[in-house]
Amino acid sequence: GENVEQHPSTLSVQEGDSAVIKCTYSDSASNYFPWYKQELGKRPQLIIDIRSNVGEKKDQRIAVTLNKTAKHFSLHITETQPEDSAVYFCAASRNAGNMLTFGGGTRLMVKP
Amino acid sequence: EPEVTQTPSHQVTQMGQEVILRCVPISNHLYFYWYRQILGQKVEFLVSFYNNEISEKSEIFDDQFSVERPDGSNFTLKIRSTKLEDSAMYFCASRARTRLTDTQYFGPGTRLTVL
Repeated sequence: GENVEQHPSTLSVQEGDSAVIKCTYSDSASNYFPWYKQELGKRPQLIIDIRSNVGEKKDQRIAVTLNKTAKHFSLHITETQPEDSAVYFCAASRNAGNMLTFGGGTRLMVKP
Repeated sequence: EPEVTQTPSHQVTQMGQEVILRCVPISNHLYFYWYRQILGQKVEFLVSFYNNEISEKSEIFDDQFSVERPDGSNFTLKIRSTKLEDSAMYFCASRARTRLTDTQYFGPGTRLTVL
């Protein structure tokens, strides 16, 4: 089955700096890659996703890149703000409606 | 904005007891999921449900687990005889039946503690 590895497990940045979180996946048939943000005590919320027919997607300060050949994808957050502090999870699935396989999560701390 | 809701927020039970975790998916959604997260570990898929039947299930989802959509709004996860290792946060998720959106929307979770 699919295995998703996520790095780093914790990331501390200064406000205004960029943050990059990386994930690798094992199943070459995976074609949908969402990123979820989970604030303390709250539900995971989708922040951005990408399908395998696209190499990059951007939404304001957030971008995701995908390298299908290398089977890795990354989340980029620019101009980080304290409210970006949360746990971020990457995930992969074969099709959008199918089960999600999650990475282990990255705790991002943005210091003011 | 509509949200997935789950009850209870926290359930404490004795080992061997049955528990039912309840979810109310977003009203026009037709795909439903259960995931769990043991403290400090990854979020793990348990089961997906569509058109009143299980579409996929993981190896975690053994005979002790069952899901049901008893009416038009609720989606439940039953654990027949709880074990200590079932202690986890259980998340319900739902997705619309449309090609325009792939998003699985998560509920706030039920923390299950088995003593």
